[in-house]
Amino acid sequence: KNEVEQSPQNLTAQEGEFITINCSYSVGISALHWLQQHPGGGIVSLFMLSSGKKKHGRLIATINIQEKHSSLHITASHPRDSAVYICAATPTGNQFYFGTGTSLTVIP
Amino acid sequence: DARVTQTPRHKVTEMGQEVTMRCQPILGHNTVFWYRQTMMQGLELLAYFRNRAPLDDSGMPKDRFSAEMPDATLATLKIQPSEPRDSAVYFCASGLVQGQPSHFGNGTRLTVT
Repeated sequence: KNEVEQSPQNLTAQEGEFITINCSYSVGISALHWLQQHPGGGIVSLFMLSSGKKKHGRLIATINIQEKHSSLHITASHPRDSAVYICAATPTGNQFYFGTGTSLTVIP
Repeated sequence: DARVTQTPRHKVTEMGQEVTMRCQPILGHNTVFWYRQTMMQGLELLAYFRNRAPLDDSGMPKDRFSAEMPDATLATLKIQPSEPRDSAVYFCASGLVQGQPSHFGNGTRLTVT
């Protein structure tokens, strides 16, 4: 049983499309993280959130604590957004449960 | 531009050999994380330090893995003896806020033959 489930596993979009990646978790959390892993392997921490919504440029992350669900949205998608997006649930600062990732490809 | 530095970038070794991976966290960051990533398991947290003290290493196989922070500028992850199943990419990350790895290193790709 996975504590964190992501959907979809793979996503292909046309440049300019609005993209949504979903993350559901089964554990109580203190925070939910979104990470971006580029094709070269490097990982970037995008967001850490415990309630509500955060926005950074074209990226928006939301979380619904009652429903144990988070979404990552990308507006006006661009080929450079092509990456694997990983969510991770943190019950405490010491524990991380990772999703298996969503592989996004944005086609010009 | 501050960054987490990991060395080596690649390591190929034979089964049974000792492997040491090093991480230089961003100056001033007080939390350091070690992760392992494989195709089968995805990302896993191995160890977590705050102010150089290990807070959690429950994700680490204790019989062969050890993680230390001899000083604030260096974190090490050792495997002794290494096994083929240890082949993975090992990431180090550092941060300022508890539970938030804000910056990741580029990883060490370990291959054990």
